[in-house]
Amino acid sequence: AQTVTQSQPEMSVQEAETVTLSCTYDTSENNYYLFWYKQPPSRQMILVIRQEAYKQQNATENRFSVNFQKAAKSFSLKISDSQLGDTAMYFCAFMSLRYNNNDMRFGAGTRLTVKP
Amino acid sequence: DTAVSQTPKYLVTQMGNDKSIKCEQNLGHDTMYWYKQDSKKFLKIMFSYNNKELIINETVPNRFSPKSPDKAHLNLHINSLELGDSAVYFCASSPSLGRGLGTETQYFGPGTRLLVL
Repeated sequence: AQTVTQSQPEMSVQEAETVTLSCTYDTSENNYYLFWYKQPPSRQMILVIRQEAYKQQNATENRFSVNFQKAAKSFSLKISDSQLGDTAMYFCAFMSLRYNNNDMRFGAGTRLTVKP
Repeated sequence: DTAVSQTPKYLVTQMGNDKSIKCEQNLGHDTMYWYKQDSKKFLKIMFSYNNKELIINETVPNRFSPKSPDKAHLNLHINSLELGDSAVYFCASSPSLGRGLGTETQYFGPGTRLLVL
């Protein structure tokens, strides 16, 4: 079974600075997806970014980018120019494509606080 | 114009009661899911349906029974509620099952906070 590890339970960053959240995963598969979801205090789960394992290029979405290291099974999220609204829980997730069932497994989350 | 909606948002009930949570998506997606988020924020999949067919059925007590009357709805019925069922339950949907075409991305509803007293 795949496991997803987020080793930083909590992090903080000053507004306008850059922060990187870590995620590692364990799998024997070659084809899969990785995701970062954000959960602000409103509780809503919001998709931040997606990475296909077959793509070498790192995904980016505005101020959010990932560093995908397939051999190391690492998938970190970089948030540039942090804003107060980025304060949230961030979840890394792994989706296997082996069984065609969209089975997605989450890490334990990292609570990020952006300080003014 | 909410994409994935859940009702109710909050549910407070007594142990032993039976309750249902409803989920609807207006995105035209084929696949829907139920997740449970416990008090430590850990998210775990419970069930998934594709075009009304059960796809994933994780090890959950059989007091939990999903029902999909059509592909836009996936309801969760819980019998004989227990204290340990207190959690936030999320519904999600995705365009279709995985074919590596990017249609697997899941979009979540706002969650239902269930408190069992």
